[in-house]
Amino acid sequence: GESVGLHLPTLSVQEGDNSIINCAYSNSASDYFIWYKQESGKGPQFIIDIRSNMDKRQGQRVTVLLNKTVKHLSLQIAATQPGDSAVYFCAEDPRGGADGLTFGKGTHLIIQP
Amino acid sequence: DSGVTQTPKHLITATGQRVTLRCSPRSGDLSVYWYQQSLDQGLQFLIQYYNGEERAKGNILERFSAQQFPDLHSELNLSSLELGDSALYFCASSVAGGFNEKLFFGSGTQLSVL
Repeated sequence: GESVGLHLPTLSVQEGDNSIINCAYSNSASDYFIWYKQESGKGPQFIIDIRSNMDKRQGQRVTVLLNKTVKHLSLQIAATQPGDSAVYFCAEDPRGGADGLTFGKGTHLIIQP
Repeated sequence: DSGVTQTPKHLITATGQRVTLRCSPRSGDLSVYWYQQSLDQGLQFLIQYYNGEERAKGNILERFSAQQFPDLHSELNLSSLELGDSALYFCASSVAGGFNEKLFFGSGTQLSVL
């Protein structure tokens, strides 16, 4: 099965609230993780990445948290906007780049006005 | 715009046919990846090329093949098409195709096999 998965297929949040999207991975050897955003009709777009020697990384309005103890990854989006509506994928690099990234199934983030 | 160009955007064909999908990576990127996205399987890694050479193979069927040309563009050839091959096919590129690199994706080719 998938070595990377998401807890919820759909997440609905109010505009202006913070969003938290979760991801579990099973390969403890993975040392690189990425979050992608995919809008309808487009390809996945890079949001933020994190290496296993870190537990937190911040970008513009986004934060990724990595908990290696429980093999859990999360993406936090601050002050969610309508433009954040998309499917969010976490991906891991389980073999040091040898076989491409392994993607989870995705979480559809829906923004309520 | 990621800088990765894929053509065509849409392709409709019949079972048993053969099609070619084309990808131009970002300027300066040496590595190209092909992914298949379907509703039930999600994004599945197919194959990776680096500077013209195959580097890694994922869940790619024997009916599918790919190559990367000297100008670094890549083509994915799908033959003896089946209904189940209908999916979105994405190309991605990265600088060196090594460890822990972010990938930049094109907009995809939507393949419909009828």
